[in-house]
Amino acid sequence: GAGVSQTPSNKVTEKGKYVELRCDPISGHTALYWYRQSLGQGPEFLIYFQGTGAADDSGLPNDRFFAVRPEGSVSTLKIQRTERGDSAVYLCASSRQPGVNTEAFFGQGTRLTVV
Amino acid sequence: QKEVEQDPGPLSVPEGAIVSLNCTYSNSAFQYFMWYRQYSRKGPELLMYTYSSGNKEDGRFTAQVDKSSKYISLFIRDSQPSDSATYLCAMSPGNTPLVFGKGTRLSVIA
Repeated sequence: GAGVSQTPSNKVTEKGKYVELRCDPISGHTALYWYRQSLGQGPEFLIYFQGTGAADDSGLPNDRFFAVRPEGSVSTLKIQRTERGDSAVYLCASSRQPGVNTEAFFGQGTRLTVV
Repeated sequence: QKEVEQDPGPLSVPEGAIVSLNCTYSNSAFQYFMWYRQYSRKGPELLMYTYSSGNKEDGRFTAQVDKSSKYISLFIRDSQPSDSATYLCAMSPGNTPLVFGKGTRLSVIA
């Protein structure tokens, strides 16, 4: 595709349920990032993949959050036992190479609401 | 104190005005400085990228970095209604992911 694609665009789930958020990066981009953006805040780093491996997962808030990128392309962010505080927009970005001097392109995000 | 501070606004200006957006930071290791524009319900898009101190100009946009004061600015000349968006500053030492400010919401009134 032409850009980073995230599905679903909106997700409403009940407290305690499990959710999966999907990111399709730009073809050929090796680096993939997940961010979380709460209302009125800037994006907050969660995890970064270089290829298939998580190069930095220091931003994951707790062990309810997990992400995979098994074939080095599509990534899935998984949240177990969702809490109301998990409600936010989850943004995915990809770049051709790792490093902040390589432009990262963002998707439109998945708006997660936990009720 | 957060690593990156940014006044959330909102900031409202008339069309044609010069807009000044600013961020301060506390981590002296930051070397890479970016400005992103985010329209409502869209992902951020990169506007300007600066390495270390100095100025960078691109059309109506000018980015300034003053590392001695830990202060960065984005100026928008001849602002247009289409510039209405949230502007996010972001920065990194280079070997760690970007740290974003809260964003400043800008409205340019025709």
